[in-house]
Amino acid sequence: QKEVEQNSGPLSVPEGAIASLNCTYSDRGSQSFFWYRQYSGKSPELIMFIYSNGDKEDGRFTAQLNKASQYVSLLIRDSQPSDSATYLCAVNYGANSKLTFGKGITLSVRP
Amino acid sequence: EAGVAQSPRYKIIEKRQSVAFWCNPISGHATLYWYQQILGQGPKLLIQFQNNGVVDDSQLPKDRFSAERLKGVDSTLKIQPAKLEDSAVYLCASSLNGLGNSPLHFGNGTRLTVT
Repeated sequence: QKEVEQNSGPLSVPEGAIASLNCTYSDRGSQSFFWYRQYSGKSPELIMFIYSNGDKEDGRFTAQLNKASQYVSLLIRDSQPSDSATYLCAVNYGANSKLTFGKGITLSVRP
Repeated sequence: EAGVAQSPRYKIIEKRQSVAFWCNPISGHATLYWYQQILGQGPKLLIQFQNNGVVDDSQLPKDRFSAERLKGVDSTLKIQPAKLEDSAVYLCASSLNGLGNSPLHFGNGTRLTVT
């Protein structure tokens, strides 16, 4: 059973702080890693994806991947109240695009 | 670019009744997915289509759930008969070509309540 674990949370940070969201996965064959944001009552929307070890930056968001440790994280710099949402980590295995999701981490940014 | 369209947005039915959901993917997207998201959990894949063929339906409860994607565009997901535990949001997603680097784009979902 391929698993994606998001065990930390809920997470609360003050406005302007860095929020760090973590995710581990069970299958070393995983190739692509995605972070989705889901506001309450809404559908998931793609924030970032990463395929290679290291960091990938997009505006205030940085995804970090360490395949040896089977670990992927999302950093949100200068957190804003509008970042308050559930963040879903998703992984695909092999060449297929179907995703396995973690249960999500709920982030609350305090004004 | 128009997004993934789903209908209805909400549905309330009694247990043992049947229900159907409809999805229209982003134009040109070959791959279509149905996910089930129970409150407080991440989405779980029910079925994946590549054009009009099924790629993966290993987690679809086939005794009560069925799905089709005739002509490789629109798709319908049906539940018959519904159980209380089927209460969830049913999300349709599409991707360009089904390859690992092809992100999924989700519709707004159908929230199903079974009483």
